Amino acid sequence: DAKTTQPNSMESNEEEPVHLPCNHSTISGTDYIHWYRQLPSQGPEYVIHGLTSNVNNRMASLAIAEDRKSSTLILHRATLRDAAVYYCILRALANAGGTSYGKLTFGQGTILTVHP
Amino acid sequence: DGGITQSPKYLFRKEGQNVTLSCEQNLNHDAMYWYRQDPGQGLRLIYYSQIVNDFQKGDIAEGYSVSREKKESFPLTVTSAQKNPTAFYLCASSYRGGGSGANVLTFGAGSRLTVL
Repeated sequence: DAKTTQPNSMESNEEEPVHLPCNHSTISGTDYIHWYRQLPSQGPEYVIHGLTSNVNNRMASLAIAEDRKSSTLILHRATLRDAAVYYCILRALANAGGTSYGKLTFGQGTILTVHP
Repeated sequence: DGGITQSPKYLFRKEGQNVTLSCEQNLNHDAMYWYRQDPGQGLRLIYYSQIVNDFQKGDIAEGYSVSREKKESFPLTVTSAQKNPTAFYLCASSYRGGGSGANVLTFGAGSRLTVL
């Protein structure tokens, strides 16, 4: 599985934008970029995903570099509830054998601290 | 509301005992997964199942066993052969169809197992 690299930790102030970077220089042409976040003692929660174009949803925006070797998760106005570990993951397009379904490889992620 | 239910939330086990963690989903997802998380670490895949009566080993399957007799259920047994079973266990599910890397995972709240 292609690997992603994220900073170990980042800090932000409440109501300010947060840009969480992710490098994935070995990404293949059919890999989707997924972001999940995990609050303490809870299961990960899906945030957003994309393939080539920038994506927006109610939680966040995903900016994907033109060469797809990096991406940035953008939280437009951080709140205290956004404090979590954020995981950037590449998900392969499954082949006919389907063996890559769900085989998300989680790294250590970025610990986001939000200050009031 | 649809979701994934894991039980028990907390479990204590004596060394040498097998223990079974329950995972039930009502999302009509075909695929289900078990991950293990150690403190400060990312998630590691134990087993996954794409359809009923079929499952595959993940990256750290030794000392674990699973069954998939019903679409809704994917129990995990932590056997006495697992050397370091104390961990946070997470169950997830997703759609299988379409071969798309866009299929996202929905996670349960987790089960925390402590071996005394």
